[in-house]
Amino acid sequence: NAGVTQTPKFQVLKTGQSMTLQCAQDMNHNSMYWYRQDPGMGLRLIYYSASEGTTDKGEVPNGYNVSRLNKREFSLRLESAAPSQTSVYFCASSDQQPQHFGDGTRLSIL
Amino acid sequence: QKEVEQDPGPLSVPEGAIVSLNCTYSNSAFQYFMWYRQYSRKGPELLMYTYSSGNKEDGRFTAQVDKSSKYISLFIRDSQPSDSATYLCAFVGGGGKLIFGQGTELSVKP
Repeated sequence: NAGVTQTPKFQVLKTGQSMTLQCAQDMNHNSMYWYRQDPGMGLRLIYYSASEGTTDKGEVPNGYNVSRLNKREFSLRLESAAPSQTSVYFCASSDQQPQHFGDGTRLSIL
Repeated sequence: QKEVEQDPGPLSVPEGAIVSLNCTYSNSAFQYFMWYRQYSRKGPELLMYTYSSGNKEDGRFTAQVDKSSKYISLFIRDSQPSDSATYLCAFVGGGGKLIFGQGTELSVKP
């Protein structure tokens, strides 16, 4: 019973490099979300997709793009990574509430 | 003023203690109130979910909501070392998006 699967689990990038974080869910949920978690800041919504074919900005979308590839998969792309994007990234999915989370991607930008 | 304020901790208690975790919020439109638990290097998982003022009990956990004061609490009775985690309050905002508190790190010492 996988739930929400995120890849990779860890990544180190250099400033200016690009990277795509992958997320897949096997619960047939319509909605998917990308958050970042920083110390003392809780989880902040980057982008979300209410249904297949739609995406919307969250609280902190600058520097990111997303693709809802199909109902199962929702990817997050950093086109030109910056040190301020060092964080732990979580993907979640839901139908209504609650949201179900993956175990995160720990990303460091040097 | 932040939309959600959570006692930052960290909190360290002896095994068997009663723990109180608290959040205040400013948006009176919030109707659904949640507590998520997050173990180290894992994603958040839903612990308690309520939508009305008053208390909701689940085993050793009690969620309390006071809508008039815009205040929610999570009480843990007979705390165990396995309760050591970060606890996040969360509120359902517009479009089903979650607004999270900053998180309180709890350590229960044997």
